[in-house]
Amino acid sequence: DTEVTQTPKHLVMGMTNKKSLKCEQHMGHRAMYWYKQKAKKPPELMFVYSYEKLSINESVPSRFSPECPNSSLLNLHLHALQPEDSALYLCASSRPTSGSTDTQYFGPGTRLTVL
Amino acid sequence: AQKVTQAQTEISVVEKEDVTLDCVYETRDTTYYLFWYKQPPSGELVFLIRRNSFDEQNEISGRYSWNFQKSTSSFNFTITASQVVDSAVYFCALRETNAGNNRKLIWGLGTSLAVNP
Repeated sequence: DTEVTQTPKHLVMGMTNKKSLKCEQHMGHRAMYWYKQKAKKPPELMFVYSYEKLSINESVPSRFSPECPNSSLLNLHLHALQPEDSALYLCASSRPTSGSTDTQYFGPGTRLTVL
Repeated sequence: AQKVTQAQTEISVVEKEDVTLDCVYETRDTTYYLFWYKQPPSGELVFLIRRNSFDEQNEISGRYSWNFQKSTSSFNFTITASQVVDSAVYFCALRETNAGNNRKLIWGLGTSLAVNP
């Protein structure tokens, strides 16, 4: 079972709203990722959690705030976003094996529109 | 510096044609991993294959096959007898082992494949 789930599928929010994206996996993976993907572009890494600790922040603006409540859940809290933040937000997970052998499995994404 | 090039931006074929998607990579590392992902219009990135740099054996999975050649730094993907359901954007990606705990994938820009009935 290589399923990563994300909610909601679509989200429309105003620039003053606060919302959260949720991601869940039950594969026993201990690394989880948030990506942002604009149309016709590859995914851009935002954050990586390894064993529930933030290990990588790719200089993401503070209006994006990640949270990893437990090994199965990953949230992305959104506040005061800009229209240019509209994108597909993808969550992924992997086994954090030594070296770089771990394969990332992706969820279906949340299509975010900021008005 | 590491880099992945997918020179074909868009490809359009008619159903049942064979199609090859090219991927050329650059790395200074001797141990690395290469990946292919498929992204249909629904948006989900679907993992297709992972190949490590020590395994140059070609791989076949149903209608899909991959040709890894270290001599030309290429990891090409062929779909045989294409079907409309193969229409998607296909991404090639590279991961170096000297990245340590950095789990960053280096992505190509993707190739958009349209298979027409």
